[in-house]
Amino acid sequence: QSALTQPASVSGSPGQSITISCTGTSSDVGNYNLVSWYQQYPGKAPKLMIHEVSKRPSGVSNRFSGSKSGNTASLTISGLQAEDEADYYCCSYAGNSILVFGGGTKLTVL
Amino acid sequence: QLQLQESGPGLVKPSETLSLTCTVSGGSITSSTHYWGWIRQPPGKGLEWLGNIYYNGNTYYSPSLRSRVTVSVDTSKNQFSLKLTSVTAADTAVYFCARVEVATSNNYFDYWGQGTLVTVSS
Repeated sequence: QSALTQPASVSGSPGQSITISCTGTSSDVGNYNLVSWYQQYPGKAPKLMIHEVSKRPSGVSNRFSGSKSGNTASLTISGLQAEDEADYYCCSYAGNSILVFGGGTKLTVL
Repeated sequence: QLQLQESGPGLVKPSETLSLTCTVSGGSITSSTHYWGWIRQPPGKGLEWLGNIYYNGNTYYSPSLRSRVTVSVDTSKNQFSLKLTSVTAADTAVYFCARVEVATSNNYFDYWGQGTLVTVSS
């Protein structure tokens, strides 16, 4: 099971919107609506931001949204804020109770 | 509030077995709608899923590590554990335990431990 593909880095200015892609295959992202996204600050545990492609847990800002098209899932952050600067990881169900993460994307707020 | 806490040796010698335990508090490990999982993160690198366990002992492992990983559960102590055999320097990482929501087969990690660094070195 190969890791999902994410861009190594993305950047944006405060107030702008950015999108992080997460590309898998027809065996994982493309076959299940079970993609989740995690935010991680340095030295901290990851935090769930989106589950089941587009569902936001209670307490997560509505500036975070998720979507999927074919084998690619996306995380969009609108109204970018300095506090959004972090690493972001996608994760997909791949069948047979197997999970696979993306390589991670470093978001820089300029 | 559910909390998870990893514990175990911070230093393991090459070729030996890495053993960690995750203690769950504020909730029961016998929940029918959750698995319990291990994830690791080598220094400066991304997250890697290692395996999950259900309270009845059913286990699910990463295909790439299946031959070296064992996850077990102790419901009497509300704990689950990880064993990774024949470790090398490449197994040096922060190891996280987490709860996996599976109520509707959704499979996502909703609660995480703080992580514990395990270094493989002689």
